[in-house]
Amino acid sequence: RKEVEQDPGPFNVPEGATVAFNCTYSNSASQSFFWYRQDCRKEPKLLMSVYSSGNEDGRFTAQLNRASQYISLLIRDSKLSDSATYLCVVNRKTGNQFYFGTGTSLTVIP
Amino acid sequence: DAGVIQSPRHEVTEMGQEVTLRCKPISGHNSLFWYRQTMMRGLELLIYFNNNVPIDDSGMPEDRFSAKMPNASFSTLKIQPSEPRDSAVYFCASSLRGGQDTQYFGPGTRLTVL
Repeated sequence: RKEVEQDPGPFNVPEGATVAFNCTYSNSASQSFFWYRQDCRKEPKLLMSVYSSGNEDGRFTAQLNRASQYISLLIRDSKLSDSATYLCVVNRKTGNQFYFGTGTSLTVIP
Repeated sequence: DAGVIQSPRHEVTEMGQEVTLRCKPISGHNSLFWYRQTMMRGLELLIYFNNNVPIDDSGMPEDRFSAKMPNASFSTLKIQPSEPRDSAVYFCASSLRGGQDTQYFGPGTRLTVL
């Protein structure tokens, strides 16, 4: 079973829409959680960390559910510039290894 | 501030040739990671170093791949001999203190093996 699984999409949404991505992880010892964003032909960049109590950064909200072993990303009021691939990332309690999901593709349509 | 620097940005080579990818991590970062990204398999960790020491190379595909980090500011990933299935984007990333910290990625090297 993969460490991290995401729905690859693609998600095609109109401007202004709200869209949510989910990601599940297999190892209950996972400790750190992140969402990265990757634009076409660019490197992944940190979008936001995910904290146990959930956290918000502008139009972006991240949630963690340890019992069900999933994390989510909610984007409100989608902009054209939000079009990208969103990578779910999980780190185990031991070791330095990050586990990346294969990414969810989002296209925001005018 | 300079981010992670990788060279070359693009590499086209013929099957059987040796390929060397280079990476300069962010100054002061203690951990360095090499990843490979393909459409089919996504982003895969190949190897990571902590304080210049290789900690986990279980992701290295086979003996044709090798990585070194002779000092805190330089690392190489070598493929010898290269094969068409090695074609991918290779990213180098660094972080301040390993897996608990944010990883900052370089722009990647797009490798094509003919």
